[in-house]
Amino acid sequence: DQQVKQNSPSLSVQEGRISILNCDYTNSMFDYFLWYKKYPAEGPTFLISISSIKDKNEDGRFTVFLNKSAKHLSLHIVPSQPGDSAVYFCAATVIQGAQKLVFGQGTRLTINP
Amino acid sequence: DTEVTQTPKHLVMGMTNKKSLKCEQHMGHRAMYWYKQKAKKPPELMFVYSYEKLSINESVPSRFSPECPNSSLLNLHLHALQPEDSALYLCASSQGDRRETQYFGPGTRLLVL
Repeated sequence: DQQVKQNSPSLSVQEGRISILNCDYTNSMFDYFLWYKKYPAEGPTFLISISSIKDKNEDGRFTVFLNKSAKHLSLHIVPSQPGDSAVYFCAATVIQGAQKLVFGQGTRLTINP
Repeated sequence: DTEVTQTPKHLVMGMTNKKSLKCEQHMGHRAMYWYKQKAKKPPELMFVYSYEKLSINESVPSRFSPECPNSSLLNLHLHALQPEDSALYLCASSQGDRRETQYFGPGTRLLVL
């Protein structure tokens, strides 16, 4: 049962344009959502997060939107830069004895010059 | 400072060897985590330590043995591993509260021959 889903395995965007990565979840108990960026053979790097009591959080070029009724969140990157090329994981937290982080399958973002 | 360090960076071991992975953080975090990541897959949670006590074991085989000597250190002892255990092993830490970001180390790339 995949509770966090990223339905697009890959996304290609022109440099300078907006990149939009999407994520859907099924568990209503999730109350904190995060986006991580990952390069091969490295650990995930935290990008931005949002609490379930908010619908938007912005940090520089990165904005995360949360639609609780649709159980959907998205990451917007604008303007996209070549260094943004990586795999992006959406993740959600739930408390089951301790904090657990549930990841989506990831979306590979490629920024074309 | 959001640094989590892991040693070694790479490890090759035979199926009869005993080895250990080490993880360290100096952010005062009270929760530490071990994840396993296979190629093209998201990280999978293995163990959670909260306030130096094992809180979650995700039905991990006993050939993996975690240890938390103090709040800054986390070890993963490996014994009699199988080739399918080859993966990137990631350590993470967080404050341990409900809506908290987990910060990841760079990982140890393990190859079991």
